[in-house]
Amino acid sequence: EAGVTQSPTHLIKTRGQQATLRCSPISGHTSVYWYQQALGLGLQFLLWYDEGEERNRGNFPPRFSGRQFPNYSSELNVNALELEDSALYLCASSKQGAPNYGYTFGSGTRLTVV
Amino acid sequence: QQQVKQSPQSLIVQKGGISIINCAYENTAFDYFPWYQQFPGKGPALLIAIRPDVSEKKEGRFTISFNKSAKQFSLHIMDSQPGDSATYFCAANSGYSTLTFGKGTMLLVSP
Repeated sequence: EAGVTQSPTHLIKTRGQQATLRCSPISGHTSVYWYQQALGLGLQFLLWYDEGEERNRGNFPPRFSGRQFPNYSSELNVNALELEDSALYLCASSKQGAPNYGYTFGSGTRLTVV
Repeated sequence: QQQVKQSPQSLIVQKGGISIINCAYENTAFDYFPWYQQFPGKGPALLIAIRPDVSEKKEGRFTISFNKSAKQFSLHIMDSQPGDSATYFCAANSGYSTLTFGKGTMLLVSP
């Protein structure tokens, strides 16, 4: 069974640009979660999509947005990039209605803003 | 109310020793408490999880101890090995909500 796949693995952008990160969940999983892992700050919750709908978002500005496609894959968009957006962005998936049965994470996209 | 506080930030243990990582929470509605293990360059992987109806859960060398009244839970790694060197995250959630993670503990097991 393929795990959660994220692309690209590394992304370098200039301040002010836009970044698009992609995630494919495990087959059969309909929920996708996005987390930001910045140095020393642990895992900060960004967004949760389930069945194509945004179910919840964390305490991040609106320039962090995303969507979930009919095949349950998802993309995270970060507009007007700032230096402090540099972090590892992790995507996780779970079965529908079962976020508290554990997530499966991908290996992340390392975003560097210069 | 949503915070999960994890300690210590870093930990060095001799091979064969016991590693102990602690977490505390405030939200009494939390009913699922997993631990994740993350190696460099990889995403976190679910290690072990507990629900508040039991006080302890053991899987191999890994044990979760849960104290509902104190709102604390901890991970014990018995007979720690160099291959256990990783960052460990505790987390918690309730019902149909997203996981809230602690800030992580970097464990180094020296040979």
